Amino acid sequence: GAVVSQHPSRVICKSGTSVKIECRSLDFQATTMFWYRQFPKQSLMLMATSNEGSKATYEQGVEKDKFLINHASLTLSTLTVTSAHPEDSSFYICSATVGVEAFFGQGTRLTVV
Amino acid sequence: TQLLEQSPQFLSIQEGENLTVYCNSSSVFSSLQWYRQEPGEGPVLLVTVVTGGEVKKLKRLTFQFGDARKDSSLHITAAQPGDTGLYLCAPRSSNTGKLIFGQGTTLQVKP
Repeated sequence: GAVVSQHPSRVICKSGTSVKIECRSLDFQATTMFWYRQFPKQSLMLMATSNEGSKATYEQGVEKDKFLINHASLTLSTLTVTSAHPEDSSFYICSATVGVEAFFGQGTRLTVV
Repeated sequence: TQLLEQSPQFLSIQEGENLTVYCNSSSVFSSLQWYRQEPGEGPVLLVTVVTGGEVKKLKRLTFQFGDARKDSSLHITAAQPGDTGLYLCAPRSSNTGKLIFGQGTTLQVKP
């Protein structure tokens, strides 16, 4: 199957700083990628749809100025958590779809201290 | 927004037992997918069901799509510790490809 790679897998940052998470499609091109957030023992919540060459589409309740998404190439989407606070600590996962199947990255565990 | 309810939310059983988890909605879906997520990893697709009444088998896992295409179930026979994980259902949006997941069922199979 297709491979989606996320980096970093874990990151700890200080409150008030920004953190960038990368999502790459390794063996295919993805004009659209998706970003999810997951709290412990909960399901994945869709945050936004990342569109190559255009603005991301955010789900209701997700602050676009807080979670900056850039999809500058067909194989890379980035999510930047700006001015991070402890409540932003979570597991962030990206995905891209090939045909009918969604392929997910390994996820990024963000801890804001 | 299509609301999906999954039940039970948590399930802890002994190895060898059978179990069924459910995915219900008031909406009709053109297709529905089941994923399994292991701790610290991304979800992996198990199956896509498309036709009302469809039954698909994947080794010890049996998936059924309701006749009205509003609900689905996953039955696991003789559960193994390797089945432990979070089971997620989601209708597939043919237009956008995005997935809106149900709350998930966390399954723990004890040896």
